[in-house]
Amino acid sequence: QQQVKQSPQSLIVQKGGISIINCAYENTAFDYFPWYQQFPGKGPALLIAIRPDVSEKKEGRFTISFNKSAKQFSLHIMDSQPGDSATYFCAASMLSGGYNKLIFGAGTRLAVHP
Amino acid sequence: ETGVTQSPTHLIKTRGQQVTLRCSSQSGHNTVSWYQQALGQGPQFIFQYYREEENGRGNFPPRFSGLQFPNYSSELNVNALELDDSALYLCASSLPSSPLHFGNGTRLTVT
Repeated sequence: QQQVKQSPQSLIVQKGGISIINCAYENTAFDYFPWYQQFPGKGPALLIAIRPDVSEKKEGRFTISFNKSAKQFSLHIMDSQPGDSATYFCAASMLSGGYNKLIFGAGTRLAVHP
Repeated sequence: ETGVTQSPTHLIKTRGQQVTLRCSSQSGHNTVSWYQQALGQGPQFIFQYYREEENGRGNFPPRFSGLQFPNYSSELNVNALELDDSALYLCASSLPSSPLHFGNGTRLTVT
């Protein structure tokens, strides 16, 4: 019940295309859903996050879509660029408890070809 | 504003040895968490410290222990190292109930 399932495992997109990564969770107590971007040799960097009271959040080229009834959320990267090539992790936690234990998905390795 | 810094960046140890990893939290952050990231996998929560007390722990054995100091920096100690402990160890700092900011990790190799 603590798992977060992420797909696909890897993704190849052409420059200018849309990258879509999906995640599903089981624990309905989760109330915070961030996405992290990780480059080789670096730690994960917070990209964008959403709370379950909204269905969509957009920041620049990055959009999170959230479906509370289906217990699914996804990351959309519009106009994908070669510099977006990285590993992306979705995560979930119960932030309101004052204790931010993130449960991460297994990651999606994105390659954007020029 | 300085970010989360971890030391050392790389470390090689022998099975059975002990290791200490260090983390300086981002300025103003009083909560520190440690995660283990095996190759090709997502990070897994080890434990979290707030005001020098452990206030949450993941599914890791007692040979994984930690400390938080009054300046909010932290240490992760691992005793009796096993080959499966080889991983990237990530430290993250935050304020309570706030987003985590990760350092670049310590790559531990156990031979």
